[in-house]
Amino acid sequence: KQEVTQIPAALSVPEGENLVLNCSFTDSAIYNLQWFRQDPGKGLTSLLLIQSSQREQTSGRLNASLDKSSGRSTLYIAASQPGDSATYLCAASGGSYIPTFGRGTSLIVHP
Amino acid sequence: DTAVSQTPKYLVTQMGNDKSIKCEQNLGHDTMYWYKQDSKKFLKIMFSYNNKELIINETVPNRFSPKSPDKAHLNLHINSLELGDSAVYFCASSQVVNTEAFFGQGTRLTVV
Repeated sequence: KQEVTQIPAALSVPEGENLVLNCSFTDSAIYNLQWFRQDPGKGLTSLLLIQSSQREQTSGRLNASLDKSSGRSTLYIAASQPGDSATYLCAASGGSYIPTFGRGTSLIVHP
Repeated sequence: DTAVSQTPKYLVTQMGNDKSIKCEQNLGHDTMYWYKQDSKKFLKIMFSYNNKELIINETVPNRFSPKSPDKAHLNLHINSLELGDSAVYFCASSQVVNTEAFFGQGTRLTVV
């Protein structure tokens, strides 16, 4: 059974810092890994999807990498801004195609 | 146009009642899901439907029953609601393999 872990659970940084959020998964036989953002009281917004054959994906200040062999993905946020404050979730989709989520990293970027 | 829409957004009800949450997706996806997000914000899969057939049920009590009239809709019916059912329920959809999952805005269910 796939298990997904996210480290750190919480992060508080000053504006402008570059950040790395970590996601690890136990079953490396995944089809894709997806990063989401969740604002308080809101739904999930898809940020990046990395297919199993890809190593990374980029969108604006966000870059996500995938290393299937080690069961890891990282989300890199460049030049963080207060508007980046949210919970970041990763989800790995394996044999059943069902996204399995980690518990998230709660990020606060203060001015 | 909203890709995945859920109604209602908020639902407050008494213990023992029966309630339904509706979900519709206009993305033409084959697969739909229901997730439960608990008070610690952890998202757990409840059901997944592929082309109107249930393909997984993660030990959810049988008081919860998904109903899919067509592949664009997956409704969640809950009988005999209990206090512990209070949570946020999310509907999502995707094509089966290698595509993004899109989520609705969630339904906050409060059982009193």
